[in-house]
Amino acid sequence: GAVVSQHPSWVICKSGTSVKIECRSLDFQATTMFWYRQFPKQSLMLMATSNEGSKATYEQGVEKDKFLINHASLTLSTLTVTSAHPEDSSFYICSARDGSSGAYNEQFFGPGTRLTVL
Amino acid sequence: AQSVTQPDIHITVSEGASLELRCNYSYGATPYLFWYVQSPGQGLQLLLKYFSGDTLVQGIKGFEAEFKRSQSSFNLRKPSVHWSDAAEYFCAVGANQAGTALIFGKGTTLSVSS
Repeated sequence: GAVVSQHPSWVICKSGTSVKIECRSLDFQATTMFWYRQFPKQSLMLMATSNEGSKATYEQGVEKDKFLINHASLTLSTLTVTSAHPEDSSFYICSARDGSSGAYNEQFFGPGTRLTVL
Repeated sequence: AQSVTQPDIHITVSEGASLELRCNYSYGATPYLFWYVQSPGQGLQLLLKYFSGDTLVQGIKGFEAEFKRSQSSFNLRKPSVHWSDAAEYFCAVGANQAGTALIFGKGTTLSVSS
């Protein structure tokens, strides 16, 4: 089956530093990747949609200069949290859509990255 | 606008008893519907999905769900719950359009008592 990996699985950083999270589709080409954020005991909230080779589309209220998304290849998307602050601490989950799946909008989720900002 | 409602925030079921988790959606056309399970600190695992066809779908771990268009519902069921089923369950809806994100419900926490 389709597998999506994320790296790192958890990261602790100091306030003011930047953190990069990678999302990879291991056995398929992902034309579209999505980034979600999940706060404790809450649901997943979509942050942005990224299509390979083009700029990401951010949801309302998500700062694009703070959460930099790059989808440079069909198997890799990165999310960089710039100048991280404690309120950015969260569980970040990516998902990827198989470009060969036609009209079916099935997405495959990564295992998530736990970010803690001190 | 699309939305998903999971009316039950927390449910406790005795081990061996049956389970039904409710999910209602709002969408203008036939949606794609999903149920995911998440254990603490873990990612999402797909239990089952509905795209079209038979409205009763079977999933992994003995779960099933029934799509009822008239009620805009996609309830998840399991005839006999195991202690390992304790987790967070999310219902999600997706548009019948490639490349659009899923909309998640707020989730239902399932506790299993012995």
